[in-house]
Amino acid sequence: DAGITQSPRHKVTETGTPVTLRCHQTENHRYMYWYRQDPGHGLRLIHYSYGVKDTDKGEVSDGYSVSRSKTEDFLLTLESATSSQTSVYFCAIRGGTDMNTEAFFGQGTRLTVV
Amino acid sequence: QKEVEQDPGPLSVPEGAIVSLNCTYSNSAFQYFMWYRQYSRKGPELLMYTYSSGNKEDGRFTAQVDKSSKYISLFIRDSQPSDSATYLCAMISGGFKTIFGAGTRLFVKA
Repeated sequence: DAGITQSPRHKVTETGTPVTLRCHQTENHRYMYWYRQDPGHGLRLIHYSYGVKDTDKGEVSDGYSVSRSKTEDFLLTLESATSSQTSVYFCAIRGGTDMNTEAFFGQGTRLTVV
Repeated sequence: QKEVEQDPGPLSVPEGAIVSLNCTYSNSAFQYFMWYRQYSRKGPELLMYTYSSGNKEDGRFTAQVDKSSKYISLFIRDSQPSDSATYLCAMISGGFKTIFGAGTRLFVKA
């Protein structure tokens, strides 16, 4: 298994509070991704990173920010959590220089905003 | 209209059956086509990865891409109860962003 660890695995938070999810990889991969998964929508890209301090928005980036100060860590922050951000969040990395896709996913963080 | 369409199922088959899972897409720029398997409460895992048109086989799994029809398929031969999962198709045009289908739930009955 690729070394991807997400923390926390589960979280319940109140509306309006900030929340930070962490993705840690031990594979030294350049590309890292944050997705959310909701019924009927599949996986939707929130933000991605193509290097330390290099990040860009995905299709559902409103209300989220990211940071990547080290190759191994990619943080996702919900600035002020809303109920619409209740979801399962997955981090992913690419599979190597010859693979143009997300090959390895973390086990997910189940976030509930009440 | 979504860029990638996938029937959510559920699809229920008896053990040993051949399973056919499909996706259609609208963006002719897609070049890389993938299938992921996702067990309940787990992250997706990459099953098949193909470039452009044609077939690719890996054990009991065969991926087909028909770019002229904008249609991709995953076939599972001799299906097993352990194949019960959600199968996600995905595709990318060569940049950084992968587009996923919503997934098809498959149940293989023993």
